[in-house]
Amino acid sequence: EIQMTQSPSSLSASVGDRVTITCRASQGITNDLAWYQQKPGKVPNLLIYDASILHSGVPSRFSGSGFGTDFTLTISSLQPEDVATYYCQKYNSAPLTFGGGTKVELK
Amino acid sequence: EVQLVESGGGLVQPGGSLRLSCAASGFTFSSYAMTWVRQAPGKGLEWVAGISGSGRTTYYADSVRGRFTISRDNSKTTLYLQIISLRAEDTALYYCAKNLRDGVAAPFDYWGQGTLVTVSS
Repeated sequence: EIQMTQSPSSLSASVGDRVTITCRASQGITNDLAWYQQKPGKVPNLLIYDASILHSGVPSRFSGSGFGTDFTLTISSLQPEDVATYYCQKYNSAPLTFGGGTKVELK
Repeated sequence: EVQLVESGGGLVQPGGSLRLSCAASGFTFSSYAMTWVRQAPGKGLEWVAGISGSGRTTYYADSVRGRFTISRDNSKTTLYLQIISLRAEDTALYYCAKNLRDGVAAPFDYWGQGTLVTVSS
């Protein structure tokens, strides 16, 4: 079973900072990777799929990259409304495993 | 507008059973795979089970296989999760989610608000 490891587990950054979150798969998953944002007390929202495609309505400050085993989610300029926990998820085959999450807070 | 509304959660004793439902609207239900994801209190997301648009193909997490059954009624545009032999570790908020495309191996573009299952004596 493929494991998904996110790092860091939490981070603190200032408004306007560039933020990068990484996700590593224990085996290659081509580009079958999604990123979700879950704000406190809210439902998860799809941000990026197929590793780099921005889902409809997602601000362009979010971007994704990677292929195979190593992936990144980048927020180019952190905004207060980006405070949330971010999860990667692989979907090349079942089980569709999530990473452990990265909590992003404001400094 | 896509809407997913879960129901059926509640307080159940260990060993008990429940059937969760997810009423879907705003899209051609039978054309998309559907999924159940759960989140234990204060924890991360856990994929539970998925089902193809036709209902012929299903997949389960190892942690629930044999105790959980995912199904769907396309005529009623409703997704189900039958749960038996409940354990304390099944306590979680259970989300219904729509897959971005048919095929279980796909991300989830819409989520319901969730239904809470609490397993306790």
